Amino acid sequence: DAMVIQNPRYQVTQFGKPVTLSCSQTLNHNVMYWYQQKSSQAPKLLFHYYDKDFNNEADTPDNFQSRRPNTSFCFLDIRSPGLGDAAMYLCATSRAGQGNYEQYFGPGTRLTVT
Amino acid sequence: AQSVTQPDIHITVSEGASLELRCNYSYGATPYLFWYVQSPGQGLQLLLKYFSGDTLVQGIKGFEAEFKRSQSSFNLRKPSVHWSDAAEYFCAVGAPNKLVFGAGTILRVKS
Repeated sequence: DAMVIQNPRYQVTQFGKPVTLSCSQTLNHNVMYWYQQKSSQAPKLLFHYYDKDFNNEADTPDNFQSRRPNTSFCFLDIRSPGLGDAAMYLCATSRAGQGNYEQYFGPGTRLTVT
Repeated sequence: AQSVTQPDIHITVSEGASLELRCNYSYGATPYLFWYVQSPGQGLQLLLKYFSGDTLVQGIKGFEAEFKRSQSSFNLRKPSVHWSDAAEYFCAVGAPNKLVFGAGTILRVKS
């Protein structure tokens, strides 16, 4: 089945230690998104890639970066995690040009910062 | 700007009872509307979507939603709730390269 895969499902990192979260997709969608979801809150869009074009949300901290080496993979890098960055990180994909904005989500990575 | 309001933070229903979760949206154009469900520690699963056509849409797990343009609403319903429906439910409106989510409604099911 076509899907969105996130690895790892659970990640523990130390305060200030860089961490990378991974997302891959077999849907061949051209848009990939990263959301941050804190406990009991709605997902918050951090940024997205439209093909190779990176689009940052205005309020996304500089501490968060992303890479998309090819269509299938997208990475979220947190350069110096703080305690406030502990959250669920959701990856999603969509096919631009369909006009309906439907997004397909992965299972998420739960990040703990110690 | 687009926005979504889910007025109920928590709802508790008895197993077997009917359910309605409210969602109101603000969007200048024809809205593309979604309901997602999230179980604890899991990602978002799409329950149903509305793009156009019939304003009553059917989804998975026995859920349905009705789009009412005059009320800017897209309420989610289920005639008989099961204990496994306990989860958090998010309504969202689609916009170019983003989904705008409501704050979510946590559903508790009591036996």
